Amino acid sequence: KQEVTQIPAALSVPEGENLVLNCSFTDSAIYNLQWFRQDPGKGLTSLLLIQSSQREQTSGRLNASLDKSSGRSTLYIAASQPGDSATYLCAVRPSGKGETSGSRLTFGEGTQLTVNP
Amino acid sequence: NAGVTQTPKFQVLKTGQSMTLQCAQDMNHEYMSWYRQDPGMGLRLIHYSVGAGITDQGEVPNGYNVSRSTTEDFPLRLLSAAPSQTSVYFCASSLGRDYYGYTFGSGTRLTVV
Repeated sequence: KQEVTQIPAALSVPEGENLVLNCSFTDSAIYNLQWFRQDPGKGLTSLLLIQSSQREQTSGRLNASLDKSSGRSTLYIAASQPGDSATYLCAVRPSGKGETSGSRLTFGEGTQLTVNP
Repeated sequence: NAGVTQTPKFQVLKTGQSMTLQCAQDMNHEYMSWYRQDPGMGLRLIHYSVGAGITDQGEVPNGYNVSRSTTEDFPLRLLSAAPSQTSVYFCASSLGRDYYGYTFGSGTRLTVV
C-alpha cells in the first residue's frame, strides 16, 4: 500500500526566507506527483505537477523536484511571503496494475506553513 | 469554464437523515473522485469513477453511495448519516490520461448531529 509522508508537519519562518518542504512515498511506481496548496477552510489549489519522467518543475517562486527511485519530492519556495502561509499537500498518482490504478491519489497529511512579517 | 463545482458548501444533518452532495465538472474529465478530509487523517478516497457508468470503492466507502450517469456529474449519497461522517468532502476530476493532474472543488463542510 502506498504511503506518503510529509515532513515537517508545521513550519514557521520569517518573511524573505527560502524554504524546503519534503514529501516521501513508499512505492516508486507512480505516474506523477502533484503539489497542492490549501488555505484554511478552502479547497485545494494545484501548484505543480511533476511527471515520473521529470526531475523538476518550476512556477514563479516555486520549484518542485522529484527523485522517483528514492521516493522523494521537495517543494522549494524562494523569498517567502506572508501570503504563502497555508497548508501544502503532496499527492502521488500510482501506476500499478489495473485499469483504474491511475485514478486514485494518495495524499500526505501536509505541512502547515506560517510566514511571519 | 467553472471547473469543479460542489454544492452545498455547508450542511447540517441529523443522525439517520440522508442527503446527496452534488459535484459537477465542465471540463469533459473522465476521472472523478470523492475524498473526505479529517484532522490528523489527511484526505482519504471514498469512491471514484473512471467514466460514465463505471464506479469503484476507495479507502473508506462504507455509508456512501455513488453513481455516474453522465460525464459531468458525480453525486455522493449519504444513506443514513452518522456523526462519524462529520467531515469536509472534496470532489476532484482529471482527464483520463494518467499524466494529467487533478482539479478539486471547493468542498462541502458537513456536520452530523
